[in-house]
Amino acid sequence: DAGITQSPRHKVTETGTPVTLRCHQTENHRYMYWYRQDPGHGLRLIHYSYGVKDTDKGEVSDGYSVSRSKTEDFLLTLESATSSQTSVYFCAISWGPPLAVDNEQFFGPGTRLTVL
Amino acid sequence: DAKTTQPPSMDCAEGRAANLPCNHSTISGNEYVYWYRQIHSQGPQYIIHGLKNNETNEMASLIITEDRKSSTLILPHATLRDTAVYYCIAVQGAQKLVFGQGTRLTINP
Repeated sequence: DAGITQSPRHKVTETGTPVTLRCHQTENHRYMYWYRQDPGHGLRLIHYSYGVKDTDKGEVSDGYSVSRSKTEDFLLTLESATSSQTSVYFCAISWGPPLAVDNEQFFGPGTRLTVL
Repeated sequence: DAKTTQPPSMDCAEGRAANLPCNHSTISGNEYVYWYRQIHSQGPQYIIHGLKNNETNEMASLIITEDRKSSTLILPHATLRDTAVYYCIAVQGAQKLVFGQGTRLTINP
């Protein structure tokens, strides 16, 4: 893995509680992404960041917020977790947007979240 | 972004070339084709990408048809470790990738 860690790796929580997932990179890449992966849906983008304090929504952003106060950290927060947010969450980084040459995305190991 | 269509599953014998097809008939002129794979429970891994010309790297080759409506990912000498789900994605400058269901490739001994 290209210097990407996610924490925690596993979490079980109850409906209605707040949850924060952390993605940390040591590659100094500008772009960071949060995806969720569910059976039958593949990977779906939640939010992404194109710089410190610069974030935007993906296709499944409802119920999630993000923050990026420094280059190396991108936080995903579930303000009030629901059972529908039970999923595997992946963080990814890239030097630039996908259109540019040599700007592939590198993915972290994932966080398995269970909301009871 | 163009929609891509892949077969849900494929099998290949170890040591043989694995050829994974992808249809992207609505692709536009400035959309790249990216390939990623995901080995069970791990994060996706970038393989290769291309626009018009065929591309080759240490992992695979990408063959794009002249009309760009389809492409083929080639793993020249498949090993058991190549068993994974392979995703073909068309990207148009948006800062995100849209993953479909992919092809589950099984390499058999």
